[in-house]
Amino acid sequence: EPEVTQTPSHQVTQMGQEVILRCVPISNHLYFYWYRQILGQKVEFLVSFYNNEISEKSEIFDDQFSVERPDGSNFTLKIRSTKLEDSAMYFCASSDVGDPGGQETQYFGPGTRLLVL
Amino acid sequence: RKEVEQDPGPFNVPEGATVAFNCTYSNSASQSFFWYRQDCRKEPKLLMSVYSSGNEDGRFTAQLNRASQYISLLIRDSKLSDSATYLCVGWGGKLIFGQGTELSVKP
Repeated sequence: EPEVTQTPSHQVTQMGQEVILRCVPISNHLYFYWYRQILGQKVEFLVSFYNNEISEKSEIFDDQFSVERPDGSNFTLKIRSTKLEDSAMYFCASSDVGDPGGQETQYFGPGTRLLVL
Repeated sequence: RKEVEQDPGPFNVPEGATVAFNCTYSNSASQSFFWYRQDCRKEPKLLMSVYSSGNEDGRFTAQLNRASQYISLLIRDSKLSDSATYLCVGWGGKLIFGQGTELSVKP
């Protein structure tokens, strides 16, 4: 069964450093998303991406965040200057309008656990 | 009002019990609804979509009441493997998650 993959599974970084989280969505999917989950809190939407541009972003997704689809398979989330409060699990998801549930049926990757010290 | 709101639990039940989770939603999360399951430190996984007429999948039954803006999930004959956090999720152009309800099924 096709799946979304994410690397790395864990990342520890110093405050102020840049991190890049990587995702490989399911190959025929066209919609891509990043969510985050701070420990003990709910899953929160960060950004959606379609047709090589951001379709929607949340208040959390400020200027320190950016997303990119550098090639036909990868989808990345960059955090330019990490803060302590960026420590969280970051989930990538993808979906395809052609699925029975359409865009709403999202498949999640296993997540990257980011710890900012 | 929070977009999707759930009782965080935890619900501690014996094997074989029937357990019900409830969820309320606001207008911004009101296009479609889902129940996801999340195991500790893992990704959310879709359990079932919630249809206006109510729907059942084995031991799981989901119901939607649009007039009251209320969604429910019923688990019958609970198993140890049902222990997880159950996430009520709305759709408003993106998935909008509730904080989850923790279920612990004991032998």
